[in-house]
Amino acid sequence: NAGVTQTPKFRVLKTGQSMTLLCAQDMNHEYMYWYRQDPGMGLRLIHYSVGEGTTAKGEVPDGYNVSRLKKQNFLLGLESAAPSQTSVYFCASSYSGGTSYEQYFGPGTRLTVT
Amino acid sequence: AQKVTQAQTEISVVEKEDVTLDCVYETRDTTYYLFWYKQPPSGELVFLIRRNSFDEQNEISGRYSWNFQKSTSSFNFTITASQVVDSAVYFCALSFLMDTGRRALTFGSGTRLQVQP
Repeated sequence: NAGVTQTPKFRVLKTGQSMTLLCAQDMNHEYMYWYRQDPGMGLRLIHYSVGEGTTAKGEVPDGYNVSRLKKQNFLLGLESAAPSQTSVYFCASSYSGGTSYEQYFGPGTRLTVT
Repeated sequence: AQKVTQAQTEISVVEKEDVTLDCVYETRDTTYYLFWYKQPPSGELVFLIRRNSFDEQNEISGRYSWNFQKSTSSFNFTITASQVVDSAVYFCALSFLMDTGRRALTFGSGTRLQVQP
């Protein structure tokens, strides 16, 4: 039981390049989330998904797209990376968002955009 | 508005000292949930506790204890007899109901705790 895994762990992009971050969970959780963590700002929700095939915007969605084609995977895409997207990205999953079960987090992906 | 404030940016203590991490929240919801997460130097986020708004009983788990007071909108976290392994960033978070009818977490900015040997 690996919990929540994220790929890759580190990445450096040049401005304008694109990339996809992969999140996978093996806990059969319905809800999945993408956050970004910036110094002194805690974590902020980018997008989330309440089930396979559904996604919704969070607090800071601009510049990102997501897809949930399979229940266990949640992809975060950057179409044209900008230096402002330099951050640590965390994926999380929970059994249910409606009753506020705790969220389980992946190890994070450190992204640098130059 | 939903907001979590952790006014203490960084705290440094000597091993075996007790330390309290403050968390103050704002919410318009009548039902809500509060969480504490630990982020050690390795970077992962570790769930510590969840508390719902109906339960104001304090909770103790080993050296950890939590004091939830609705009257002051606070959910403070105390570590008794701190240890070097407690060194981490600690986040307080609030689960709130979004306009979509779904719940999301809003996090405080975190408190970095350094425990010196």
